[in-house]
Amino acid sequence: NAGVTQTPKFQVLKTGQSMTLQCAQDMNHEYMSWYRQDPGMGLRLIHYSVGAGITDQGEVPNGYNVSRSTTEDFPLRLLSAAPSQTSVYFCASKRSGGEQETQYFGPGTRLLVL
Amino acid sequence: SQQGEEDPQALSIQEGENATMNCSYKTSINNLQWYRQNSGRGLVHLILIRSNEREKHSGRLRVTLDTSKKSSSLLITASRAADTASYFCATDASNFGNEKLTFGTGTRLTIIP
Repeated sequence: NAGVTQTPKFQVLKTGQSMTLQCAQDMNHEYMSWYRQDPGMGLRLIHYSVGAGITDQGEVPNGYNVSRSTTEDFPLRLLSAAPSQTSVYFCASKRSGGEQETQYFGPGTRLLVL
Repeated sequence: SQQGEEDPQALSIQEGENATMNCSYKTSINNLQWYRQNSGRGLVHLILIRSNEREKHSGRLRVTLDTSKKSSSLLITASRAADTASYFCATDASNFGNEKLTFGTGTRLTIIP
């Protein structure tokens, strides 16, 4: 199993540009989520999905869109990038249905918005 | 808003010593989890303790939870250079279990060989 994969690893954008951060998992996990990590802030939940076709907002959803058309993929879209979105983005997945289920994190995407 | 706050923010100890880091949180929780993050990498789940548990062990890790004080501690015994990393606590207060983790700000642990 590859686990949770994210692409790209690093991206530089100009203000106003759009892009999609890709996340895929091959563990057949129902639950997937996106976090951003900023210095001194820990990780903050952006959006999450409990299954294909179902998404919901986390703590900091503004400026981001998600969709979940398949179990495997959960892309994160920035429609108009802003410098405040400079961060490291992590995707995670887990099986649903139990609080004991471990979340598995991807290696992260480092985004710089100029 | 941040749910968890780790203390200390940074900790340096000699290899072989024990490392203790603490986490405080604000609301009632279902469980509390600890994660490790090596520099430039993703997070790795270490241990989960449920709200009705007071102590849990996993190898060299010992976690305690005091729900009356809304605090938890992570003890790493007999530290090794490979334990150098940032450690985060995360709390789950969701209705359906483990869906909305709220992370603390982390403790950066450095083990000096």
